[in-house]
Amino acid sequence: SQKIEQNSEALNIQEGKTATLTCNYTNYSPAYLQWYRQDPGRGPVFLLLIRENEKEKRKERLKVTFDTTLKQSLFHITASQPADSATYLCATGANNLFFGTGTRLTVIP
Amino acid sequence: NAGVTQTPKFQVLKTGQSMTLQCAQDMNHEYMSWYRQDPGMGLRLIHYSVGAGITDQGEVPNGYNVSRSTTEDFPLRLLSAAPSQTSVYFCASRGGETQYFGPGTRLLVL
Repeated sequence: SQKIEQNSEALNIQEGKTATLTCNYTNYSPAYLQWYRQDPGRGPVFLLLIRENEKEKRKERLKVTFDTTLKQSLFHITASQPADSATYLCATGANNLFFGTGTRLTVIP
Repeated sequence: NAGVTQTPKFQVLKTGQSMTLQCAQDMNHEYMSWYRQDPGMGLRLIHYSVGAGITDQGEVPNGYNVSRSTTEDFPLRLLSAAPSQTSVYFCASRGGETQYFGPGTRLLVL
């Protein structure tokens, strides 16, 4: 089965800076990569999906890239705000998802 | 729309007891699934359903049963709870490209 790795357990960043989170996969190149946000005590909330043939996708202050050569997806939050503090999960698949363990982002005012 | 709802929010069981975790969605989605989330393990797929009457196993199905008699409901049954099933359980449904997760059920098995 696919293995998804989010190497950073936690990331602290100053408000206004760009946060960059990394997601690596180890086996076959997935057709999709998805990013979710999870707040404590709540279920994950879908943010973005990027397909294998898409290099980059944007939604407001969010940007996701997909590099099949590096087997990696990067998730960027520009002009970060304290309200962006949460755990961000990477997942492959469309229906049945394989998740990474997540990166806990803290935006410091 | 209420989205995906789950009951109960929290449950304590003794080893060997059985229970059903309820999940319902009002978005008319065909695809529904159950995940468990454990510290350091990420979310792992237990069972899924592509429509009423159709279910299949995910990555960690042992100890769990599911059924799908209606589009709206997808209950997860623990037949004989074990401490290893202590976890947070999430139900999800898929509409288009988006998966919608419920608020979760926190289960403690003593």
